[in-house]
Amino acid sequence: DAGITQSPRHKVTETGTPVTLRCHQTENHRYMYWYRQDPGHGLRLIHYSYGVKDTDKGEVSDGYSVSRSKTEDFLLTLESATSSQTSVYFCAISESRDTEAFFGQGTRLTVV
Amino acid sequence: AQSVSQHNHHVILSEAASLELGCNYSYGGTVNLFWYVQYPGQHLQLLLKYFSGDPLVKGIKGFEAEFIKSKFSFNLRKPSVQWSDTAEYFCAVKSSGGYQKVTFGIGTKLQVIP
Repeated sequence: DAGITQSPRHKVTETGTPVTLRCHQTENHRYMYWYRQDPGHGLRLIHYSYGVKDTDKGEVSDGYSVSRSKTEDFLLTLESATSSQTSVYFCAISESRDTEAFFGQGTRLTVV
Repeated sequence: AQSVSQHNHHVILSEAASLELGCNYSYGGTVNLFWYVQYPGQHLQLLLKYFSGDPLVKGIKGFEAEFIKSKFSFNLRKPSVQWSDTAEYFCAVKSSGGYQKVTFGIGTKLQVIP
């Protein structure tokens, strides 16, 4: 398995609180992605990064921000969590823009 | 915009039965195609991929898929399933551009009964 670690693996938080999820990789891959997985929707891209300090929005970016200050770390922040952000969040990495992505173990986030 | 359609959302098979999961996409240009598998409680793992060349692609664990360009399809097959194949399967398509352009289907849950 690719060296991808997501933390935390599970989190319960209250509506309106900020939440940060961390993705750490040991593969030195340039591209990193954050997805959310919801029943009936498959995986949807939230944000992605193509290098240190280089990020862009995905399909469902509203309410989320990201940062990448080091190659190995990609942070996803929910500035003010809402119940609609209850989901399983997956980080993925790819070596180049044209190669397949490898996924982390996921973070199950519940917003109550 | 590209889209991916997986026809069967829940499939139940007995062990040793043959499997075919449908995947159709809508995009008129060059595509790369993927099948991922997600075992219960696990992350997504790549089963196989098609980029170019032979349209019959063989992947891990005895799975294969055939790219039929004229039908915009990339169906996943396995001649004889095992209980350990119980999982959710996702088809994904990448159009021109980087991996950020990948669109996933909503998934097919496969349950194999011993």
